[in-house]
Amino acid sequence: DTGVSQDPRHKITKRGQNVTFRCDPISEHNRLYWYRQTLGQGPEFLTYFQNEAQLEKSRLLSDRFSAERPKGSFSTLEIQRTEQGDSAMYLCASSLAAAADPLHFGNGTRLTVT
Amino acid sequence: GQNIDQPTEMTATEGAIVQINCTYQTSGFNGLFWYQQHAGEAPTFLSYNVLDGLEEKGRFSSFLSRSKGYSYLLLKELQMKDSASYLCAEGSGTYKYIFGTGTRLKVLA
Repeated sequence: DTGVSQDPRHKITKRGQNVTFRCDPISEHNRLYWYRQTLGQGPEFLTYFQNEAQLEKSRLLSDRFSAERPKGSFSTLEIQRTEQGDSAMYLCASSLAAAADPLHFGNGTRLTVT
Repeated sequence: GQNIDQPTEMTATEGAIVQINCTYQTSGFNGLFWYQQHAGEAPTFLSYNVLDGLEEKGRFSSFLSRSKGYSYLLLKELQMKDSASYLCAEGSGTYKYIFGTGTRLKVLA
């Protein structure tokens, strides 16, 4: 069990640029989640996948955000035309497809939009 | 709706006991989770309750009352390393997990 890994750890970008983050879940986990967290707040749900299917996406999520999990393994989260309000920690988590299985989080990608 | 409420901050003394409360309102309830998050780190799983009652794991225990939409995390014999944020998260019927804002616990010597 190598844990959930995310890349990059930090990203600084200028407003208006596109960014893409990658998440590699624990290998036997078929559920993969993306969350966003700002200082002093809990993780905010963005979207989740079961295998390659995107099952739910937050209604609060702008159309500038898109996520994929093409082969049911790693996932990417892309933010187009970044805004300063997108600055946050983006957390990926994975779990087994069982109700009692907790989320296992990666260390996150910290995005700063200048 | 899916509102989860927990206190913003708590302070306790090393060696003491502290109880962190969490209330939730949702349909399709599928379990209540507690996570610990140290500053600058990812959340790590502490406990899970789906049935009413108390689950004990060493110094940490968690309680659930589904009829009241209420849970608490009990930390005994507090240590300095327990200073962290404690996140309450509710599992929905669609396996989406909704987190509260977290409770920042400061343990004082």
